[in-house]
Amino acid sequence: QSALTQPPSASGSPGQSVTISCTGTSSDVGGYNRVSWYQQHPGKAPKLMIYEVSKRPSGVPDRFSGSKSGNTASLTVSGLQAEDEADYYCTSYAGSNNLAVFGGGTKLTVL
Amino acid sequence: EVHLVESGGGLVQPGGSLRLSCAASGFTFSSYAMSWVRQAPGKGLELVSSISHSDAGTYYADSVKGRFTISRDNSKNTVFLQLNSLRGDDTAVYYCATGSYQFGNWGRGTLVSVS
Repeated sequence: QSALTQPPSASGSPGQSVTISCTGTSSDVGGYNRVSWYQQHPGKAPKLMIYEVSKRPSGVPDRFSGSKSGNTASLTVSGLQAEDEADYYCTSYAGSNNLAVFGGGTKLTVL
Repeated sequence: EVHLVESGGGLVQPGGSLRLSCAASGFTFSSYAMSWVRQAPGKGLELVSSISHSDAGTYYADSVKGRFTISRDNSKNTVFLQLNSLRGDDTAVYYCATGSYQFGNWGRGTLVSVS
């Protein structure tokens, strides 16, 4: 069982928006603004898409955005494209004893 | 361009050992914490171990504590993971990544199979 809870699947049609949630506790997501999101295509390494809740690394399209409310973080993908179909994982800093905890991943399907 | 290349994976019997290496280039290696993240077949991601930029601090997941050892050689831009007393549930792709709680760059991974 993963430390952070994500829905196993999400879907949307091209052009639509989809939001993936990531629920933790006050010891991780709620306690720090250190949530990050990763995209992983089959057989590939994960790629950082969002860090520190809502910041985008250089090269990540602005269709990807992040937010947080209380113990739940969210990743929103706007203007869905076929290439966005992938697994998405969230992670959060969880203090010096646990360091980083991951969500179980969400498979995003573009219909 | 940041480049991380893992090596050292393979097939090993239960109870055996392996040493994974991750060669880094394209950034100031000695300024970054480094981590090993693994992914069992069909499963999610798990932070296995991290080491601070100066080798002053290390972290291990409970599942590997006492069996795995992380180290780094800043003169060779390389981070290592020594895997001892391997078990079937250690079977996974092991990724090297920059950072300790958010992972900016990833290698392609090396497969460790324990059987």
